[in-house]
Amino acid sequence: DGGITQSPKYLFRKEGQNVTLSCEQNLNHDAMYWYRQDPGQGLRLIYYSQIVNDFQKGDIAEGYSVSREKKESFPLTVTSAQKNPTAFYLCATSPGRMNTEAFFGQGTRLTVV
Amino acid sequence: AQTVTQSQPEMSVQEAETVTLSCTYDTSENNYYLFWYKQPPSRQMILVIRQEAYKQQNATENRFSVNFQKAAKSFSLKISDSQLGDTAMYFCAYNAGNMLTFGGGTRLMVKP
Repeated sequence: DGGITQSPKYLFRKEGQNVTLSCEQNLNHDAMYWYRQDPGQGLRLIYYSQIVNDFQKGDIAEGYSVSREKKESFPLTVTSAQKNPTAFYLCATSPGRMNTEAFFGQGTRLTVV
Repeated sequence: AQTVTQSQPEMSVQEAETVTLSCTYDTSENNYYLFWYKQPPSRQMILVIRQEAYKQQNATENRFSVNFQKAAKSFSLKISDSQLGDTAMYFCAYNAGNMLTFGGGTRLMVKP
């Protein structure tokens, strides 16, 4: 099936540990994005990538890192420097640079225990 | 920086009635796109409707329509004949090139 796969759906992390969230797409979309959503709030952009081997910081990049070694994959690492990492994380893709809507994965709920 | 504002944190409507959700945005761009997304309890983001800024005609998708006022930078969503399945968070979003910017959302409850 074509789509965006985020894994795992639920993730628990101990304080001080890094954790990586996976996002894979087979839509052949150029652009990929990571958003964070806190309870009852909107989506805030963490990082985005328009092409392979290139990415830009969004509004809340501190404490996060990404890579884009393949067109299909855009993993997000939540580092120990992120002070409040418990949140819902959404990965999205879009076909090109301009104007198009984003298509979303089903999200990963990260909880720090 | 572009900003998107949804001034109604929560709204409710009776089943079969009509409701309008508000959205305003701030931009210096002339060409851009606007979207409404729905997020039901499953948390899956679903595109409801899109509007291209250079088109004067308001977009319509079945029971969903928009009122796009470019000069006022306003982009409201009207849901007609509301159904219980319309209960969700609704997000307005703006895109002028690189990325989508979202508003804070409006929680809509449709009451039987």
